[in-house]
Amino acid sequence: GENVEQHPSTLSVQEGDSAVIKCTYSDSASNYFPWYKQELGKRPQLIIDIRSNVGEKKDQRIAVTLNKTAKHFSLHITETQPEDSAVYFCAATDTGTASKLTFGTGTRLQVTL
Amino acid sequence: DTEVTQTPKHLVMGMTNKKSLKCEQHMGHRAMYWYKQKAKKPPELMFVYSYEKLSINESVPSRFSPECPNSSLLNLHLHALQPEDSALYLCASSQPGRSSGANVLTFGAGSRLTVL
Repeated sequence: GENVEQHPSTLSVQEGDSAVIKCTYSDSASNYFPWYKQELGKRPQLIIDIRSNVGEKKDQRIAVTLNKTAKHFSLHITETQPEDSAVYFCAATDTGTASKLTFGTGTRLQVTL
Repeated sequence: DTEVTQTPKHLVMGMTNKKSLKCEQHMGHRAMYWYKQKAKKPPELMFVYSYEKLSINESVPSRFSPECPNSSLLNLHLHALQPEDSALYLCASSQPGRSSGANVLTFGAGSRLTVL
């Protein structure tokens, strides 16, 4: 089965700085890579995703890059703000009839003033 | 309607009780999921229903029994649970397939379960 590793487990940045979270996956059949943000006591919310037919995707301050050869993908957040503080999970799956997402272990991002 | 609704939000039960968690979505999604999340851990997949049929059961103990009465509803029946089953239970839904937008999971707010 798929195995997703995520680093770092905690990340503290100053407001305005950039944050980068990295994930690696093991199953070369995986073709869908979402990122979820989970605030304390809340549901995971999709913030960006990428499919294996593209190498990069950007949405305002958030971008994701994918290197299929190396089997790794990364989340980049620029101009971080205090409201970006949360736990971020990467995930990977081979899409089919139903998506069996395998999540990374999570990164706790703290944006300090 | 772009939400997944879960009830109850909180549930406290004894080890001999029988209770159910409920999940509802009206987005026309044909895949529905149960995840279990312990504190400071990622969600762990329990069950997947695709087109109302159980397609994935991640070796979950039989004290958890899923049910999908129709394409909008998903239940999780609980019986004889253990204190270690205390967790946040998340329901999610998605549209199966390989087109863009497929397999994007929308999560409910969760049911926080405490087993005494």
